[in-house]
Amino acid sequence: GESVGLHLPTLSVQEGDNSIINCAYSNSASDYFIWYKQESGKGPQFIIDIRSNMDKRQGQRVTVLLNKTVKHLSLQIAATQPGDSAVYFCAENIASGGSYIPTFGRGTSLIVHP
Amino acid sequence: DAGVIQSPRHEVTEMGQEVTLRCKPISGHNSLFWYRQTMMRGLELLIYFNNNVPIDDSGMPEDRFSAKMPNASFSTLKIQPSEPRDSAVYFCASRVGEGTEAFFGQGTRLTVV
Repeated sequence: GESVGLHLPTLSVQEGDNSIINCAYSNSASDYFIWYKQESGKGPQFIIDIRSNMDKRQGQRVTVLLNKTVKHLSLQIAATQPGDSAVYFCAENIASGGSYIPTFGRGTSLIVHP
Repeated sequence: DAGVIQSPRHEVTEMGQEVTLRCKPISGHNSLFWYRQTMMRGLELLIYFNNNVPIDDSGMPEDRFSAKMPNASFSTLKIQPSEPRDSAVYFCASRVGEGTEAFFGQGTRLTVV
């Protein structure tokens, strides 16, 4: 079946560096994508989303890029801070039973060293 | 709004016992999801409700699992009988509609011994 996956399970960066977390998706019909941040002991928290009619969307210190040609998403975090240390998931809305279900990749652990 | 509220936060039970997890979605949200998270399998969808009606329960592992949503402000996930392999963190999430983000609760960490 089609699934969302991540290239890098762990990413270590120095405080102040920019971080890039990648995600490959295989469902070409997906039209909505979401990045979540999950801190230890907490539920996933929404960071930013993007629809398939866009290729870039910016938030506060975060940018999501969508490349539909190669079915690839990335999350860029500028000036990474220790508080950014968490597991990051990408999710795509996959059609199921007439509805669209958020389907998650395995996650990337981001470790920020002070 | 307090967000999605789950209870209990932690549950330790013996194999064979019944376990009931509870969820209160965000007011006004018409979709509710139950997910299970483990290191081996990541975040898996168990069941999805829309307007209190189960739409997709293909992720429910077996007949030991059941979920209900008697009204728009409450849902339960029940495991009977529980087994050690059910140990995981169970998340409830809700959203206002298609094409919007889902908001997650803090999860229930279930340990079956």
